[in-house]
Amino acid sequence: DSGVTQTPKHLITATGQRVTLRCSPRSGDLSVYWYQQSLDQGLQFLIQYYNGEERAKGNILERFSAQQFPDLHSELNLSSLELGDSALYFCASSVGGGAVDEQYFGPGTRLTVT
Amino acid sequence: QKEVEQDPGPLSVPEGAIVSLNCTYSNSAFQYFMWYRQYSRKGPELLMYTYSSGNKEDGRFTAQVDKSSKYISLFIRDSQPSDSATYLCAMTSNTGGFKTIFGAGTRLFVKA
Repeated sequence: DSGVTQTPKHLITATGQRVTLRCSPRSGDLSVYWYQQSLDQGLQFLIQYYNGEERAKGNILERFSAQQFPDLHSELNLSSLELGDSALYFCASSVGGGAVDEQYFGPGTRLTVT
Repeated sequence: QKEVEQDPGPLSVPEGAIVSLNCTYSNSAFQYFMWYRQYSRKGPELLMYTYSSGNKEDGRFTAQVDKSSKYISLFIRDSQPSDSATYLCAMTSNTGGFKTIFGAGTRLFVKA
C-alpha cells in the first residue's frame, strides 16, 4: 500500500458525460501527479500540482482539468467523454516537485466510457 | 517517433535466469532515469533511479545508463516467479517542469 488513495475504483459512464476522479496524497507529500494508462498509449503524464499550484503539464486534453485543494487532495475532471477516454487513471504523489522525488502511485481509477 | 521506445514483450524466462530489459530514447535532455515495476491491476512502484550515465546496483537489480547511446537497461539476476510483472522505464528532464516520460512497459513472465 503506497499511502495514496484514489476514488472511485471503477467508473462506468456514457459518452458526452462528465466525471470527477479524486486523489488523496500520502501524508506530507506536496506534489500530486495525474497519469492516464491505456493499452495503446501506455502511461501518459497529464499534469502535476505542487502545493496547490500547477507545476507541469503533459498531454492533457482541453476537455480535462485538474486542481489541488488547500488540504492537498486533488481532483481530475473529465468532460465531454469519448470512447477513447476509457483508461486507467493513476494519481501519484511525492514530497517535493522535482525530478528526483520518488513518486508513489495510487491503485488507479478504471474509467469505462460506453 | 516516440521519445522513449521499449519492447512490450512478453518476455518469458525460467526461474533463476538473468533478465535484461532495455529502453532507448531520443531526447538528449533527459537526465534522470527510472525503472518502475507494475503488477497486474496495481499502480507502478519505483524500483531504481539513476542520474546521468553509469551503473547502480540494488540487490538482484542493476540499472545501467549509457547517455552517449541513449540506451538504458535493467538487469535482474536470479529471477523469481514473483518478478513476473510489467517493467516500465521512465525518464525526466528539468525542462518544462520535470515531465516524466514512460516507456510502453515490458511484460515479464518468470516460470517456476
